[in-house]
Amino acid sequence: GAGVSQTPSNKVTEKGKYVELRCDPISGHTALYWYRQSLGQGPEFLIYFQGTGAADDSGLPNDRFFAVRPEGSVSTLKIQRTERGDSAVYLCASSLEGQGRETQYFGPGTRLLVL
Amino acid sequence: DQQVKQNSPSLSVQEGRISILNCDYTNSMFDYFLWYKKYPAEGPTFLISISSIKDKNEDGRFTVFLNKSAKHLSLHIVPSQPGDSAVYFCAASAGNNNDMRFGAGTRLTVKP
Repeated sequence: GAGVSQTPSNKVTEKGKYVELRCDPISGHTALYWYRQSLGQGPEFLIYFQGTGAADDSGLPNDRFFAVRPEGSVSTLKIQRTERGDSAVYLCASSLEGQGRETQYFGPGTRLLVL
Repeated sequence: DQQVKQNSPSLSVQEGRISILNCDYTNSMFDYFLWYKKYPAEGPTFLISISSIKDKNEDGRFTVFLNKSAKHLSLHIVPSQPGDSAVYFCAASAGNNNDMRFGAGTRLTVKP
């Protein structure tokens, strides 16, 4: 079956611009996660959705970052007034129910470069 | 703050030998630990996990060992194969918290 997909695979933007990154989770997965991986680091948790609602957004670095999942499936991570430090690979993952010890399945990521 | 640390950025082993990847953590609340494997241009894929009630979990060529008193875990791959060459991430979580903390990764190269 189809795995987690993310679009675009690469995004180049200029400092100060707005970007949207999209994640399509595995069909039927109710839990969705966003991570950010900077160069030489491991993935860093940003936000977790259970269905349509953000169950935990404690990892969002500041109010320039926002994510939505209006119908409980596709999610969009939105970054306003991008800064060079936002350059990273943004990973999305999904799991079946988001309860307890579930395996999270990752997409290939979107590589964001802010010039 | 780095709650999960992988102090070796890279490791090179010969095919057929054992690969040992190490991970240390600082948060005593962590009670579930995972290893993920990542190939270039792909997302991390789950490899093996261990709960804090165990000290060892084995799956084929992969074994994870947990030493709670030392806050240390390790992944053993034996025998190592060239296809195992990838970046390996250690991750940890606490309770039913889905907020996984990852280490920086170790790049394993298995030479034929």
